[in-house]
Amino acid sequence: GAGVSQSPSNKVTEKGKDVELRCDPISGHTALYWYRQSLGQGLEFLIYFQGNSAPDKSGLPSDRFSAERTGGSVSTLTIQRTQQEDSAVYLCASSLEGSLAYGYTFGSGTRLTVV
Amino acid sequence: EDQVTQSPEALRLQEGESSSLNCSYTVSGLRGLFWYRQDPGKGPEFLFTLYSAGEEKEKERLKATLTKKESFLHITAPKPEDSATYLCAVTTGGFKTIFGAGTRLFVKA
Repeated sequence: GAGVSQSPSNKVTEKGKDVELRCDPISGHTALYWYRQSLGQGLEFLIYFQGNSAPDKSGLPSDRFSAERTGGSVSTLTIQRTQQEDSAVYLCASSLEGSLAYGYTFGSGTRLTVV
Repeated sequence: EDQVTQSPEALRLQEGESSSLNCSYTVSGLRGLFWYRQDPGKGPEFLFTLYSAGEEKEKERLKATLTKKESFLHITAPKPEDSATYLCAVTTGGFKTIFGAGTRLFVKA
């Protein structure tokens, strides 16, 4: 596609429910990243996928968070048993592996609200 | 611990009033420093990559510079459409990118 697509754009869920957030990266981009942005805060790294390599999960805040990337393309971030502190904007980005010249291309994010 | 600090948190300018945003960093093994622009409700938009001290890059009214400890984003004669949050980020050897909290820029006509 022309850009990174994320869905849904907004999600309101009840505390304790599970949610799935989807990311469609730019075709041909082998690297995919998930970040979380809380109000007034910087972007917090969550997870990084690169080709067929094992993902770097070092930023996942707890074992309630997991992510997968199927076929080297679409990625899903799953949050189980959501808590109010999970409320944030979840941003997905993709890039050409090893290339820093063009930075990351970000989607518009999914705004998650846990009530 | 790798760290990126941006200042000021917010900056209010009159149209045409030039100024600079600061990004100081402490990382082991800098591979690249990035500047992004973020508009409300949207993801960050890439502006520049800087790789080594002394490097400069320009785009329209924006100019980014890099030293061994900090980067500056200079805004010359800003316009209201330059109002946004500007994010600085650094990438180290592990391909993990660390972002600063950003500077919110307001330019009044």
